[in-house]
Amino acid sequence: KNEVEQSPQNLTAQEGEFITINCSYSVGISALHWLQQHPGGGIVSLFMLSSGKKKHGRLIATINIQEKHSSLHITASHPRDSAVYICALTSGTYKYIFGTGTRLKVLA
Amino acid sequence: GAVVSQHPSWVICKSGTSVKIECRSLDFQATTMFWYRQFPKQSLMLMATSNEGSKATYEQGVEKDKFLINHASLTLSTLTVTSAHPEDSSFYICSARETVTSWSSYNEQFFGPGTRLTVL
Repeated sequence: KNEVEQSPQNLTAQEGEFITINCSYSVGISALHWLQQHPGGGIVSLFMLSSGKKKHGRLIATINIQEKHSSLHITASHPRDSAVYICALTSGTYKYIFGTGTRLKVLA
Repeated sequence: GAVVSQHPSWVICKSGTSVKIECRSLDFQATTMFWYRQFPKQSLMLMATSNEGSKATYEQGVEKDKFLINHASLTLSTLTVTSAHPEDSSFYICSARETVTSWSSYNEQFFGPGTRLTVL
C-alpha cells in the first residue's frame, strides 16, 4: 500500500463546477503539500500545511491530522485549472513522498 | 519570490553524447537542491540530493557515474547525463530548498520548470 493515496485519479468537470481532490496518508507528517503540474511539466507549490485550512483565491486546502486526510477544493473551476494535482508529504525528513496525482480536465 | 529556473527547457542529443542541465535559484540561496526524473504519466522520482559544497547523495538504483551532479554555489546546481542513451530520455526537474531557519524552510521545496531530454 502506498503511503500517500489520492482520489480520484482522473477527473473531468464542467467549467464552474466545485471540485474536490482527496489525499489520504498512512504516516506521521511534518507537512503536507499540494502541488500543481501544468501540461508543460512545470510544478507550482499551491499549499503547505500541517493543520487546519488554507485559502488562496479559488483554492482551499484542508487537513485533518487525526484522520490522516487532506482535501483540495477548487471553486468556480475554469479550463485553466486543468492540470495534474499532486499531494506530497514530508515525514521526518525533507524528502517528499509523492502521491500518484489527480489528472483534472475542466471543459469549457 | 522563490523562483527556480532550469536550462535548457528541452534538449535533443545523439546517443553517446553528454548533456548538462542547469538549475538556478533566482532570488534565494539554495543550500539543498534536488534532482527528479519523471516518466510520462508517472510520479516524480528523486534521483539525488545535493548540498552546496559537498558531494551529492544518490538514491538507490541511480548511477552516480552516469548522472553527475555538481552544486558549486548556493544558486546553481548542474546535472550532467554522461554518455546518454535513448533510455535516458525523460523529463528532469530540479527543486531547491532555502537555508533552514524554520519549519517552513525545512519542509518546502521550490520546483524548476523542468527539462525534457530526448536521446536519439
